[in-house]
Amino acid sequence: NAGVTQTPKFQVLKTGQSMTLQCAQDMNHEYMSWYRQDPGMGLRLIHYSVGAGITDQGEVPNGYNVSRSTTEDFPLRLLSAAPSQTSVYFCASRSPGTGIYNEQFFGPGTRLTVL
Amino acid sequence: EDKVVQSPLSLVVHEGDTVTLNCSYEVTNFRSLLWYKQEKKAPTFLFMLTSSGIEKKSGRLSSILDKKELFSILNITATQTGDSAIYLCAVDEGNFNKFYFGSGTKLNVKP
Repeated sequence: NAGVTQTPKFQVLKTGQSMTLQCAQDMNHEYMSWYRQDPGMGLRLIHYSVGAGITDQGEVPNGYNVSRSTTEDFPLRLLSAAPSQTSVYFCASRSPGTGIYNEQFFGPGTRLTVL
Repeated sequence: EDKVVQSPLSLVVHEGDTVTLNCSYEVTNFRSLLWYKQEKKAPTFLFMLTSSGIEKKSGRLSSILDKKELFSILNITATQTGDSAIYLCAVDEGNFNKFYFGSGTKLNVKP
């Protein structure tokens, strides 16, 4: 299993540009999430999904869109990049429940800089 | 208002010391509390706690949850330089997949 994969690893954008951060998982997890982590801070939830076709907003959704057309993929779209979106983005997936096998698995992260 | 608060924000100790990291939370429909270790990359899972008073252990690390007082602690005994990392606490509010993270405790273990 590859686990949770994210592309690209690094990206530099100019203000106003749009782009899509890709996330895929091969563990057949129903739940997927996008987080951003700013320096010295914990992770903040951007959007999350509990299954194909179902998404919802997290704490900081403004400026981002998501869709979940398949169980495996959960892309994050930046509509018009702003310097405030400079951050490290993590995608995560898990299966439902609170047992020991329901931990959240994280991808390696995408470091995004907006100039 | 922060739903998950961790303390201290940073901590410097020497190898062999014991440390206690704190996590307090305030969410409705609590389902679980998770601890993660982050070393410059993605967070790695340490513990999931759902019930009060039951200690989870993994080697020199242990954690316990108090659902009445709404907090958890993470203990690390006989610290090593490899324990240097940011320790994150996250709470599942029960809205299926909505996790709130604290800002983390940065632990620096000196030789």
